[in-house]
Amino acid sequence: AQSVTQLDSHVSVSEGTPVLLRCNYSSSYSPSLFWYVQHPNKGLQLLLKYTSAATLVKGINGFEAEFKKSETSFHLTKPSAHMSDAAEYFCVVSDPRTGGSYIPTFGRGTSLIVHP
Amino acid sequence: ETGVTQTPRHLVMGMTNKKSLKCEQHLGHNAMYWYKQSAKKPLELMFVYNFKEQTENNSVPSRFSPECPNSSHLFLHLHTLQPEDSALYLCASSQDDRQGFGSGYTFGSGTRLTVV
Repeated sequence: AQSVTQLDSHVSVSEGTPVLLRCNYSSSYSPSLFWYVQHPNKGLQLLLKYTSAATLVKGINGFEAEFKKSETSFHLTKPSAHMSDAAEYFCVVSDPRTGGSYIPTFGRGTSLIVHP
Repeated sequence: ETGVTQTPRHLVMGMTNKKSLKCEQHLGHNAMYWYKQSAKKPLELMFVYNFKEQTENNSVPSRFSPECPNSSHLFLHLHTLQPEDSALYLCASSQDDRQGFGSGYTFGSGTRLTVV
């Protein structure tokens, strides 16, 4: 069984300050992990993914995430927030089911608020 | 545009109405998905189609009826819905549901459904 917990429902930062969105996961296998972003009235856009290669993953728009197996974490960071980063962020875990299909589990989401 | 187009963007329907949601992708993907996104709830997978065959049905009520006539089009037929069915319905596609989430989904912008 797999699960994902986003530890904060809301994160508020000032423009130009660092961003940290926390995610912990549970998986019986070596999972694939993802972060998606959703801007208002839009679908979800893939930010970055971890699929058992390098543990530090770089994504779009300056975001990156580090896979830490010992801590079962996959936190999302960005050195300097921009107003356009204000959105909902989803952490996703996916591991193979019987037959090889991958069905993901989504976290509840973290709303990032960026103040001028 | 992501390459996955959903219509209509907004839909208001009465509980006795019948309506359909449409999803179209021209990315060459062969797996398509319906998700339901309700306020304050995790994203819920509803249906998965791989090569036009339904491979997942996550205990969705029969008032939701999917149809996948070909790999590029996916419909969600709605009838006698309840107010609690009001949500954002997201369509996504991937190359293959056995490998697709390794490479991630492409999401449409969604249909905002309101049942009155």
